[in-house]
Amino acid sequence: RKEVEQDPGPFNVPEGATVAFNCTYSNSASQSFFWYRQDCRKEPKLLMSVYSSGNEDGRFTAQLNRASQYISLLIRDSKLSDSATYLCVVNQFYFGTGTSLTVIP
Amino acid sequence: NAGVTQTPKFQVLKTGQSMTLQCAQDMNHEYMSWYRQDPGMGLRLIHYSVGAGITDQGEVPNGYNVSRSTTEDFPLRLLSAAPSQTSVYFCASSSIQGLGANTEAFFGQGTRLTVV
Repeated sequence: RKEVEQDPGPFNVPEGATVAFNCTYSNSASQSFFWYRQDCRKEPKLLMSVYSSGNEDGRFTAQLNRASQYISLLIRDSKLSDSATYLCVVNQFYFGTGTSLTVIP
Repeated sequence: NAGVTQTPKFQVLKTGQSMTLQCAQDMNHEYMSWYRQDPGMGLRLIHYSVGAGITDQGEVPNGYNVSRSTTEDFPLRLLSAAPSQTSVYFCASSSIQGLGANTEAFFGQGTRLTVV
């Protein structure tokens, strides 16, 4: 079983839509959780960390559910510039396959 | 502020050739790692290191060697290149905060390797 499972999408949404991504992880002892953003042909960059109590950064909300072993990312009021691949990361080294998001005008 | 420097950016190899991908970081990070990224596969961990002199295998280590003689450098060696190793390779570094949790990983710009 893979350490991290992520729905690859793709997600194609209109501007202004709300979209959510989920990842599940297999190691219940995992301590670190992150969401990264990767633009085409570029390196991944940190979007936000995921904290146990949930956290928000502008239009982005990340949540952690330890009991069910999943993390989520919610993007509200999608912008064209949000188009990218979003990767969940568990315990630093283990990446999901990435979810492709395209925001359509 | 250089961060993580990865070289070369592009490389074409013939089957059977060997080469070393270089990775250096100037942030004094303990953790360094190598990934390969293939379409539809996400980033897969090849090898990682939690400090100088310590390395370990990741998910897809076959055909690759690493060493960590200094905190700053973590080269990846392809012993005998094969077409299946055609991929984009990323090096990353990160630090450790309290309670063993990791901080943000910083990535190099990637190496696009083609093996013909």
